[in-house]
Amino acid sequence: GAVVSQHPSRVICKSGTSVKIECRSLDFQATTMFWYRQFPKQSLMLMATSNEGSKATYEQGVEKDKFLINHASLTLSTLTVTSAHPEDSSFYICSAENRNDGYGYTFGSGTRLTVV
Amino acid sequence: QKEVEQNSGPLSVPEGAIASLNCTYSDRGSQSFFWYRQYSGKSPELIMSIYSNGDKEDGRFTAQLNKASQYVSLLIRDSQPSDSATYLCAVNNAGNMLTFGGGTRLMVKP
Repeated sequence: GAVVSQHPSRVICKSGTSVKIECRSLDFQATTMFWYRQFPKQSLMLMATSNEGSKATYEQGVEKDKFLINHASLTLSTLTVTSAHPEDSSFYICSAENRNDGYGYTFGSGTRLTVV
Repeated sequence: QKEVEQNSGPLSVPEGAIASLNCTYSDRGSQSFFWYRQYSGKSPELIMSIYSNGDKEDGRFTAQLNKASQYVSLLIRDSQPSDSATYLCAVNNAGNMLTFGGGTRLMVKP
């Protein structure tokens, strides 16, 4: 089946530093990937849609200069949280749509970010 | 605003019973409907997808869709303690983005 690999699974960083999260589609090409954020006991909130070879589309209220998205290839999208603050601590999850085999949307395993 | 609504629960059922999870959505143009299971601290995993009115069965799971009522449900037969998780309803509109409900927490008691 379709597999989306997300790294790192956990990261702790100091306030003010930047953190990069990678999302790879392992056995299919993903022209579009999605980045979600989930706070404790809340549902997934879409942050942005990552499009291969073009700029990402950000949801209302998500700062594009703070959450940098790069989708340079058909199998890799990255999310960089710049100048992280404690309020950015959350569970970040990527997903990709596998149109080839009808697997729908596959999620990465998520990244637990803690900013101290 | 496109919305997907779920009762947050917790829904508590005894082991072996049928768990019924419900979801309503506001966008009549929605095309695809998904149920995901999410264990605490983990990312969601797809359980069922349904695209047309009626029932779709897969093992102990049955998804039901009623587009006229804008309602989709998930039935879990012979519930097991391992089914205890948060179940997320997701709806895909014509814009090809998933909108998630808030999730229903299911507790299956031995």
